[in-house]
Amino acid sequence: QVQVVESGGGAVQPGGSLRLSCAASGFTFSSSAMHWVRQAPGKGLEWLAFISWDAKTIYYADSVKGRFTISRDNSKNTLYLQMNSLGVEETAVYYCAKDRPSSWCLEYWGQGTLVTVSS
Amino acid sequence: QSDLTQPASVSGSPGQSITISCTGTTSDIGAYNHVSWYQQHPGKAPKLIIYEVINRPSGVSDRFFGSKSGYTASLAISGLQAEDEADYYCSSYTTSTTWVFGGGTKLTVL
Repeated sequence: QVQVVESGGGAVQPGGSLRLSCAASGFTFSSSAMHWVRQAPGKGLEWLAFISWDAKTIYYADSVKGRFTISRDNSKNTLYLQMNSLGVEETAVYYCAKDRPSSWCLEYWGQGTLVTVSS
Repeated sequence: QSDLTQPASVSGSPGQSITISCTGTTSDIGAYNHVSWYQQHPGKAPKLIIYEVINRPSGVSDRFFGSKSGYTASLAISGLQAEDEADYYCSSYTTSTTWVFGGGTKLTVL
């Protein structure tokens, strides 16, 4: 079955960096676009970034543009999110999600990884 | 890009029907039919329940019904069941090549 599993979360100081990973299985990752979304504690969902199957098309939310980088390694079935200059307000559960082809929506979500930004 | 606007909470009794609205702008809901809805139970990941305004993924109950008029989308749930109690989020693709979510609606089954 389709599965995406996030990892790499943890505690980081304000201004610090962290790289999240998302391991995919159960579908053809190399043909699938992917997203990152986050959810602060007790808050709603915030879309962060999109990457096409071949990494030639990448979009970011304004809130993370220039600080976050989405990337992928199709040989490893893995999606990444490099996060720099983190602020305390970015404490959240970070989800990766598979895009549904030609439907502009997030079809399958992982369970998320918690990032805590605190001094 | 601002969030889409949803009511903070709705409630209904078992067997009843409820509707959750999601208001956007001409740059998102009003521009495309790329509206989706997600259900999230406490401590769980979101689950896609409606895509492209009206479509249900395989395995999603036909008690969930999506619609759109102008720049407002709606999710209707009929025959409410206890298991429907969850948070619901709408989302839309935008003319800025981004995605935007609503603030979420907490559904309580009385």
